[in-house]
Amino acid sequence: SQQGEEDPQALSIQEGENATMNCSYKTSINNLQWYRQNSGRGLVHLILIRSNEREKHSGRLRVTLDTSKKSSSLLITASRAADTASYFCATDARGAQKLVFGQGTRLTINP
Amino acid sequence: KAGVTQTPRYLIKTRGQQVTLSCSPISGHRSVSWYQQTPGQGLQFLFEYFSETQRNKGNFPGRFSGRQFSNSRSEMNVSTLELGDSALYLCASSPGLQAGYNEQFFGPGTRLTVL
Repeated sequence: SQQGEEDPQALSIQEGENATMNCSYKTSINNLQWYRQNSGRGLVHLILIRSNEREKHSGRLRVTLDTSKKSSSLLITASRAADTASYFCATDARGAQKLVFGQGTRLTINP
Repeated sequence: KAGVTQTPRYLIKTRGQQVTLSCSPISGHRSVSWYQQTPGQGLQFLFEYFSETQRNKGNFPGRFSGRQFSNSRSEMNVSTLELGDSALYLCASSPGLQAGYNEQFFGPGTRLTVL
């Protein structure tokens, strides 16, 4: 089964609004990463947050991590049409010896 | 630096055939991981190679195999293809020098269709 579960599965918002996606996982992690995938293409790494960190920023992206709840959220502020993509969380779980991806959130930004 | 490249980009095969996919990592990266992406199962880890050795392996049958060459280029092979092997196959590279999995650099993928 997938380590990461993402919520919502799909999200549609207007350009300029903020988008929030959530990821929950099951076991202890070394780090949690977020990736973006444009329709059927390769994944692009967005941000990595380590288990001892609570929040990280990168441009319009803000990621939080709550290890007590085993959850993370990705916030994209001031969304743009180019942000339309699928977003995946991936966990480097302790002992798993692999990166495990969630099912992803499909984000659509409407002009 | 040039990014991760994968060849071919598209492939059509019939059941029972075998296929070999190729991945060239970013220069200097020694770790190459392979993933299978399908609408039903999502992204699933196949295996990881580091310095020509398989370092980690996912839960796939033995029909899926791979190897890595001394220049870090990697190939994966799927024998006796089944309809369910139709998928986007992604490879990702990283320096691989640290324990665990940090930022992965993905290629554009090979779209395999099995008829």
